[in-house]
Amino acid sequence: AQSVAQPEDQVNVAEGNPLTVKCTYSVSGNPYLFWYVQYPNRGLQFLLKYITGDNLVKGSYGFEAEFNKSQTSFHLKKPSALVSDSALYFCAVRDIVEYGNKLVFGAGTILRVKS
Amino acid sequence: DGGITQSPKYLFRKEGQNVTLSCEQNLNHDAMYWYRQDPGQGLRLIYYSQIVNDFQKGDIAEGYSVSREKKESFPLTVTSAQKNPTAFYLCASSAEGLGTYEQYFGPGTRLTVT
Repeated sequence: AQSVAQPEDQVNVAEGNPLTVKCTYSVSGNPYLFWYVQYPNRGLQFLLKYITGDNLVKGSYGFEAEFNKSQTSFHLKKPSALVSDSALYFCAVRDIVEYGNKLVFGAGTILRVKS
Repeated sequence: DGGITQSPKYLFRKEGQNVTLSCEQNLNHDAMYWYRQDPGQGLRLIYYSQIVNDFQKGDIAEGYSVSREKKESFPLTVTSAQKNPTAFYLCASSAEGLGTYEQYFGPGTRLTVT
């Protein structure tokens, strides 16, 4: 079965500094990888995905993610963090099931950006 | 959250009562999903449906039931058999046929059972 791991429960960064939220994956076949963000008591918002092609994927709100096949990683990055980026971030991988597709989510990483 | 609505936002029930959570989408997506979110555990799949009048159990289907009579609607019933129903419930949809696979989520329903 496909899986993702988010090794950090929480990441703290100062406003204006670069941020990285880590994700590693375990898949059979080609990975389809996703990042989502969740603000308190809200649904998840899609940020970006990697299906194929360029290893650096650009997404919403200035976020990008780097796909690294040799390290089986898909880390989320942003060059300059904002206080408003503080939220819960989920990495996910597509899993093919008998009747279609589903997403398998990591446990989530809380990002705190301090001013 | 655009395109997918969930109601109500907060729901309170007594133990032993069944409760139905609503999920509606106007994105013309074929696939719909229900997830349960508990602190520190990420999202867990309850049920999913790839097409109208068909649905499949996810990883934690026990104590839940669904229907998919219309493309736009995928209601979830939390039955009295669910041992620990208090949680945040999220509905999602995706356009599977286009090969994109990302899911779009509703705003969620927070269910509290006492």
